[in-house]
Amino acid sequence: AAGVIQSPRHLIKEKRETATLKCYPIPRHDTVYWYQQGPGQDPQFLISFYEKMQSDKGSIPDRFSAQQFSDYHSELNMSSLELGDSALYFCASSLQDRAYEQYFGPGTRLTVT
Amino acid sequence: AQSVAQPEDQVNVAEGNPLTVKCTYSVSGNPYLFWYVQYPNRGLQFLLKYITGDNLVKGSYGFEAEFNKSQTSFHLKKPSALVSDSALYFCAVRADNYGQNFVFGPGTRLSVLP
Repeated sequence: AAGVIQSPRHLIKEKRETATLKCYPIPRHDTVYWYQQGPGQDPQFLISFYEKMQSDKGSIPDRFSAQQFSDYHSELNMSSLELGDSALYFCASSLQDRAYEQYFGPGTRLTVT
Repeated sequence: AQSVAQPEDQVNVAEGNPLTVKCTYSVSGNPYLFWYVQYPNRGLQFLLKYITGDNLVKGSYGFEAEFNKSQTSFHLKKPSALVSDSALYFCAVRADNYGQNFVFGPGTRLSVLP
């Protein structure tokens, strides 16, 4: 069965650069979630989208923005990167009416140097 | 507010012995509870969930968990541990009346010793 796809899997950036992470949900899933997992930490919810609209917002820094497109894929844009942004970024997807069944992608490991 | 506690940072168990990874939660509504496992440099893999119904939930790889409403717990169990079960385990909760995102516990590292 198709799973959540994230690209790139690994990304190395320097401080103050920008990064864009992409997430392709499971086919027919209409809701996308972004989580950030710092080294040795639990995943923290950043933001979610349903039908291209932001549906929920967590601890996402103002330097980050995200959007969902008409094909339901989502992009997380990160600007003015800081060393502390180094983390594993997970995307999850679900059907809106089954939000308790979130399927996670493999994650993008971002390293800021 | 929702929160999840996993009181043990590390659990060590001998192969073949039963294992328990503890989880307690706090939500304002009815809880949806989940267990995920994470292997090194890998994503989160779904193990099992409790939404409603029987308090004992069976999941992947022989794992099960028991929902205890009075104790607000959802401990993960397996009758006979395997060395390959060694990983990081996360408990997560979502209230049925609050947002859509999961709140994760801090994780418990399980080491199964041969």
